[in-house]
Amino acid sequence: DIVMTQSPLSLPVTLGQPASISCTSSQSLVHSDGNTYLNWFQQRPGQSPRRLIYRVSNRDSGVPDRFSGSGSGTDFTLKISRVEAEDLGVYYCMQGTHWPRYTFGQGTTLEIK
Amino acid sequence: EVQLVETGGDLIKPGGSLRLSCEVSGFTVSTNYMSWVRQAPGRALEWVSVIDYGGSTSYADSVKGRFTISRDGSKNTVYLQMDSLRAEDTAVYYCARDHWGSLDFWGQGTLVTVSS
Repeated sequence: DIVMTQSPLSLPVTLGQPASISCTSSQSLVHSDGNTYLNWFQQRPGQSPRRLIYRVSNRDSGVPDRFSGSGSGTDFTLKISRVEAEDLGVYYCMQGTHWPRYTFGQGTTLEIK
Repeated sequence: EVQLVETGGDLIKPGGSLRLSCEVSGFTVSTNYMSWVRQAPGRALEWVSVIDYGGSTSYADSVKGRFTISRDGSKNTVYLQMDSLRAEDTAVYYCARDHWGSLDFWGQGTLVTVSS
């Protein structure tokens, strides 16, 4: 199975400051159809995961534009331009290229300093 | 509005069986791929199983031979039959729509605790 590695695993941030999470896959996530199926999810405390980003950089409806995704091949990044209090929680990357065996990263806990 | 509601979680002894349900509104399960994902306490998310619109199924190695995914189109519901349960199956189980290499809609989850 594809291994997804996130860093850092814990990210203390100051409100209003930027934050960045890295995700690296053990194999390329470029699918034979040319797409790259890399997703980002947010899980607030006590809630189920919510998709933020799909196919590397596409934001879901209702996701604030301070969230952005980038990357290619095996290296991907989720950036938050200015962290707000509602952003605290755990963030997961997930590869969907090697379906059906989806795999997730370990999760990055975003905490407010 | 899309809603997925999981039920069936419980405290069960090792070796026991349990069936989880995921009732869906807002789209048709028979024309979509549906997955189950679980999260052990304090741990990361783990994909468990998928059923495609043709009825074909796949499973994670950790549950293959013990879990069975199915659906009932008339009830717009997806199921996860879990047999030979082990302590390491303790987790919150989520169902999600599996759509183009992603999981776009999720339920609120149901807790399964395997303990004697």
